[in-house]
Amino acid sequence: DVKVTQSSRYLVKRTGEKVFLECVQDMDHENMFWYRQDPGLGLRLIYFSYDVKMKEKGDIPEGYSVSREKKERFSLILESASTNQTSMYLCASSLPGNSPLHFGNGTRLTVT
Amino acid sequence: RKEVEQDPGPFNVPEGATVAFNCTYSNSASQSFFWYRQDCRKEPKLLMSVYSSGNEDGRFTAQLNRASQYISLLIRDSKLSDSATYLCVVRVRATNAGKSTFGDGTTLTVKP
Repeated sequence: DVKVTQSSRYLVKRTGEKVFLECVQDMDHENMFWYRQDPGLGLRLIYFSYDVKMKEKGDIPEGYSVSREKKERFSLILESASTNQTSMYLCASSLPGNSPLHFGNGTRLTVT
Repeated sequence: RKEVEQDPGPFNVPEGATVAFNCTYSNSASQSFFWYRQDCRKEPKLLMSVYSSGNEDGRFTAQLNRASQYISLLIRDSKLSDSATYLCVVRVRATNAGKSTFGDGTTLTVKP
């Protein structure tokens, strides 16, 4: 079974803080993704990566950056957290091509 | 118009009922299709992939109509445990990683 692990289930940060969300997968998947999910807006893609050190912007990259130094790890960085980044953040991984995504159990981030 | 549209419901059905969800997509370059299930405050989990010829997994049947650009999910003999939000996912292989677009989900409540 694919295991995608997100470092925190719940996180509370202050406005202006730099926030790191970590995601690790154990299935040697090439592709990794970061989504956020908000009521009424569904899942929206922030960034994704199809190889080590490669990254591509998703639909809502503003205010975020990512890092993929190792194949199994994909980090999401909020450079200066703002209250509108309060959300559920979901990491996912997949094999190349049209394989399904496998999600971590999410990080519920609150920015106060 | 959204790329992937689902009827949000809610669908409230009695145990044992048959219920069907539809999902339409607008990008004709879409190549792979999935149904996910998401329980409240949890991550989406893959329910089934959708193949061109249609496919069945126990009480669940998925179908794809490329000409009309929709996919469907049929649940027979509904159980209380089927209560969840069902997300339709459409994937376009625009890059190595492909891009998955999620519908906003259809909420199902199965009642005793």
